[in-house]
Amino acid sequence: LAKTTQPISMDSYEGQEVNITCSHNNIATNDYITWYQQFPSQGPRFIIQGYKTKVTNEVASLFIPADRKSSTLSLPRVSLSDTAVYYCLVGASGNTGKLIFGQGTTLQVKP
Amino acid sequence: GAVVSQHPSWVICKSGTSVKIECRSLDFQATTMFWYRQFPKQSLMLMATSNEGSKATYEQGVEKDKFLINHASLTLSTLTVTSAHPEDSSFYICSARPINGETQYFGPGTRLLVL
Repeated sequence: LAKTTQPISMDSYEGQEVNITCSHNNIATNDYITWYQQFPSQGPRFIIQGYKTKVTNEVASLFIPADRKSSTLSLPRVSLSDTAVYYCLVGASGNTGKLIFGQGTTLQVKP
Repeated sequence: GAVVSQHPSWVICKSGTSVKIECRSLDFQATTMFWYRQFPKQSLMLMATSNEGSKATYEQGVEKDKFLINHASLTLSTLTVTSAHPEDSSFYICSARPINGETQYFGPGTRLLVL
């Protein structure tokens, strides 16, 4: 399973765009990249998933370069309620589909 | 769509007793479900992969006789913590992956406190 590396923590202010980059140098050909958000005492919430190039949904964008060795989660105009831990995961399609969580990035949004 | 529920949301039990936690996929079928454990200020740790109709696959270091997993249907997996001890107190989270899907959806978690 591909190991991921992301910053331990980040600070931002309300209304700013936040970009969290994750490196996954040994990503396999059939691995997808998935980002989750977790609040204290809650299960992780799915944010976005992609395989290559750019994916956008109503809450975030995911940028994946051609070599797929990294990915960037972009949160537009964050608010205080976006303060949470963000996890980048790389998991294989089919097979077991196991996801191994790293330490995640604790995002603190300040007023 | 893609909602996963867990029951109970929290449980307190005495040391030596067994506790069963249910994980249900409410609006999709899942041949594969996963069980995680999370201690305070730490990340999620995968305990086991639960496959419908077959035995669970446990991660290294997880005692299969202590954490019994049953995946009897495409929408239900259960985790039973047998002979619970205070060190088993933790936040247990399940996830489910839809058939032919790539995404895991997580339940809200179950807080277990063993006295």
